[in-house]
Amino acid sequence: QKEVEQNSGPLSVPEGAIASLNCTYSDRVSQSFFWYRQYSGKSPELIMSIYSNGDKEDGRFTAQLNKASQYVSLLIRDSQPSDSATYLCAFNAGNNRKLIWGLGTSLAVNP
Amino acid sequence: NAGVMQNPRHLVRRRGQEARLRCSPMKGHSHVYWYRQLPEEGLKFMVYLQKENIIDESGMPKERFSAEFPKEGPSILRIQQVVRGDSAAYFCASSPGVDETQYFGPGTRLLVL
Repeated sequence: QKEVEQNSGPLSVPEGAIASLNCTYSDRVSQSFFWYRQYSGKSPELIMSIYSNGDKEDGRFTAQLNKASQYVSLLIRDSQPSDSATYLCAFNAGNNRKLIWGLGTSLAVNP
Repeated sequence: NAGVMQNPRHLVRRRGQEARLRCSPMKGHSHVYWYRQLPEEGLKFMVYLQKENIIDESGMPKERFSAEFPKEGPSILRIQQVVRGDSAAYFCASSPGVDETQYFGPGTRLLVL
């Protein structure tokens, strides 16, 4: 079993719709979870961090964490073509807090 | 406040040569992480350093790869006797503390011919 599982996509949504991205992880000890966005040929850019069960909202983005189910999701409201990118789920592992990454979900927002 | 700096942005080497990748963390950040992203693969942790110390190198290949973060100057990832399989994007991230968010540099794209 992979440490972080994401649907590779591509996930295609029309402009203005809600995009829902999901991630499951295997490390029950991990406390910190992150969503990064990566445009093709660019470096990862932090979108959201979440540490507690429940929802965390920042603008058009909402992260949801359920530690019991080992599940974290990202909702993007009012999707824009500029949101088209690969979304990477990651968590901190171990005392040294290295990031363990999923392979990413490719999102395409169609005008 | 400048972000994480990496150079060079692109590096071409022939098999057997050495590659030296540099990373300057954000101001005030003393924790540096190196990650590698192979084509069509996910990001993989390589090494975690603090000033003058390697804290965790569990993701580093056993041979040819080394890293340092001296008291003065940037962190260096060195790859000796490069092979074609080393072709990848190498990203550096920095954070102010071990439990803090990691911010990424633009990466160095290494191509081994």
